Amino acid sequence: DTGVSQDPRHKITKRGQNVTFRCDPISEHNRLYWYRQTLGQGPEFLTYFQNEAQLEKSRLLSDRFSAERPKGSFSTLEIQRTEQGDSAMYLCASSPPGANQPQHFGDGTRLSIL
Amino acid sequence: GQQLNQSPQSMFIQEGEDVSMNCTSSSIFNTWLWYKQDPGEGPVLLIALYKAGELTSNGRLTAQFGITRKDSFLNISASIPSDVGIYFCAVPTGNQFYFGTGTSLTVIP
Repeated sequence: DTGVSQDPRHKITKRGQNVTFRCDPISEHNRLYWYRQTLGQGPEFLTYFQNEAQLEKSRLLSDRFSAERPKGSFSTLEIQRTEQGDSAMYLCASSPPGANQPQHFGDGTRLSIL
Repeated sequence: GQQLNQSPQSMFIQEGEDVSMNCTSSSIFNTWLWYKQDPGEGPVLLIALYKAGELTSNGRLTAQFGITRKDSFLNISASIPSDVGIYFCAVPTGNQFYFGTGTSLTVIP
């Protein structure tokens, strides 16, 4: 299966720790997105990459959050000094070139802050 | 951000019944997407709509792009237990995608 892959699937950490998540998109997809999803809500957009360039960031992405996609393939999302409110599912999605192409999602990383 | 209102919020139906749900907005969009999400998994694309008035089917699922471009509808015929999950509509705006709050479907065998 060559779908979107996310690692780890679950992360439990203490408040104040740093965490890093990885996303491997579908190989021919040049667009990559990060979302956050809390219980009972739809995914909320965090940031968007086209190839290695980070072209858009949501105001939800505070300065404790940073995302990279150094070679235009996999991406990482780091959260520094985690807070209880960071507990959520973090979803990655990718899409092929072209406007309004549907996104294909990974199964997410569930983050729990103790 | 964009406000996508999904209705109903939740549904409890008997196996075999048909299901209808919708998504509305005050803004006009050129694309409407429908996703299904199972617990602990990411959303899976069901149907993509690109033209006002378009009616597209995927097996027992049929979705329509509203003629006003401000809404979309999803119908599921002859529901089965594996239809259980949360259904989201989504629209692209620039480089962002906005999702509705979802319709939770429970199918009673």
